[in-house]
Amino acid sequence: DADVTQTPRNRITKTGKRIMLECSQTKGHDRMYWYRQDPGLGLRLIYYSFDVKDINKGEISDGYSVSRQAQAKFSLSLESAIPNQTALYFCATSDRSGGLSTDTQYFGPGTRLTVL
Amino acid sequence: GQSLEQPSEVTAVEGAIVQINCTYQTSGFYGLSWYQQHDGGAPTFLSYNALDGLEETGRFSSFLSRSDSYGYLLLQELQMKDSASYFCAVRSISSGSARQLTFGSGTQLTVLP
Repeated sequence: DADVTQTPRNRITKTGKRIMLECSQTKGHDRMYWYRQDPGLGLRLIYYSFDVKDINKGEISDGYSVSRQAQAKFSLSLESAIPNQTALYFCATSDRSGGLSTDTQYFGPGTRLTVL
Repeated sequence: GQSLEQPSEVTAVEGAIVQINCTYQTSGFYGLSWYQQHDGGAPTFLSYNALDGLEETGRFSSFLSRSDSYGYLLLQELQMKDSASYFCAVRSISSGSARQLTFGSGTQLTVLP
């Protein structure tokens, strides 16, 4: 079984609809992240959470919200979807680390979201 | 803020060596990571440099010069399966003690037979 799973894998929705993307992990990591990927723009951080009670905005949080329901679950919501939120969304996890450790991030398979 | 620059595309032939460069501007720098992403797939971690010098992992090596804000990924003995996008990512402080990754736009490597 995959360590980081995302549901749904693909979603087509209409402008104005509320959408929730879910992420679950079995790696036992404390830290979870949501990124979006657009062609030619790489990965941009939307929100991140270092534990269940810690939520932080990333580079592009406007129009998004998140919920950390448990250590293993981190969901991303689009309250009122708009076409420029069409993108590939990735969830990632990393272990608590300090010093010079790598803080390697492990990515889920992605959710391809299309907003019409 | 942070910014990273890497070439958008690189092409090489099977068996060759290719170098993908990355320059960055950031505050509170901790390290430079490299990730590989095959078309439509999830990014996967390749390497990390926190200190100056070369890190080798099999056919892949990564180099960092903190004084030059520069790093590169070196791929040797290229194989067709190495065709993918490669992202450099800077690990830095954003606020307080929070550390996060900022990714470059990616380099699309095409390996030709």
